Amino acid sequence: NAGVTQTPKFRVLKTGQSMTLLCAQDMNHEYMYWYRQDPGMGLRLIHYSVGEGTTAKGEVPDGYNVSRLKKQNFLLGLESAAPSQTSVYFCASSYSPTGGLDDTGELFFGEGSRLTVL
Amino acid sequence: RKEVEQDPGPFNVPEGATVAFNCTYSNSASQSFFWYRQDCRKEPKLLMSVYSSGNEDGRFTAQLNRASQYISLLIRDSKLSDSATYLCAAQDNYGQNFVFGPGTRLSVLP
Repeated sequence: NAGVTQTPKFRVLKTGQSMTLLCAQDMNHEYMYWYRQDPGMGLRLIHYSVGEGTTAKGEVPDGYNVSRLKKQNFLLGLESAAPSQTSVYFCASSYSPTGGLDDTGELFFGEGSRLTVL
Repeated sequence: RKEVEQDPGPFNVPEGATVAFNCTYSNSASQSFFWYRQDCRKEPKLLMSVYSSGNEDGRFTAQLNRASQYISLLIRDSKLSDSATYLCAAQDNYGQNFVFGPGTRLSVLP
């Protein structure tokens, strides 16, 4: 059981370049999230999705776009990378955030993607 | 004011010590709370859910104080392997996401 898989794990970009981070989960979870983590800032939500075909903005959405064409995949795009987007990006998924009879609401995270923008 | 706040530490404690972390949240409507553990350069992993009645898992105890809007994590008989960053999370205003605190770093020393 792979859980949540992120690709790539490392990437170096030049300012202005574009790239896409892919997140895939095999747990049939409805909810998927993209966070970024910076020193002293904790995890900040970029975008999230409550189901296939849906996306919504989180706390820090500017400069990012997302798509959820398939339930198991959640893509994060940077159209024109900036040095301020240097960070570690984590994808996460959950069955539902509030939990149900058989679900704790736990977030399952991928291993992270380290992005450096020069 | 951040929705979820934590003392970033670091907390440096000797092996065998008892250590407690607090986490405050601003959304009084929050229903669900969690403690996550994050090792250096790794992803966060769930440590414990925090229930209204409190819960205990071995050396770890989590408590919720709704009146004062904080959750706590108590670690007894600290082990070297407990060294990590501990993140608290609270359900956000919309009930669809969790807001994380910045984390508290713990170092257990031999």
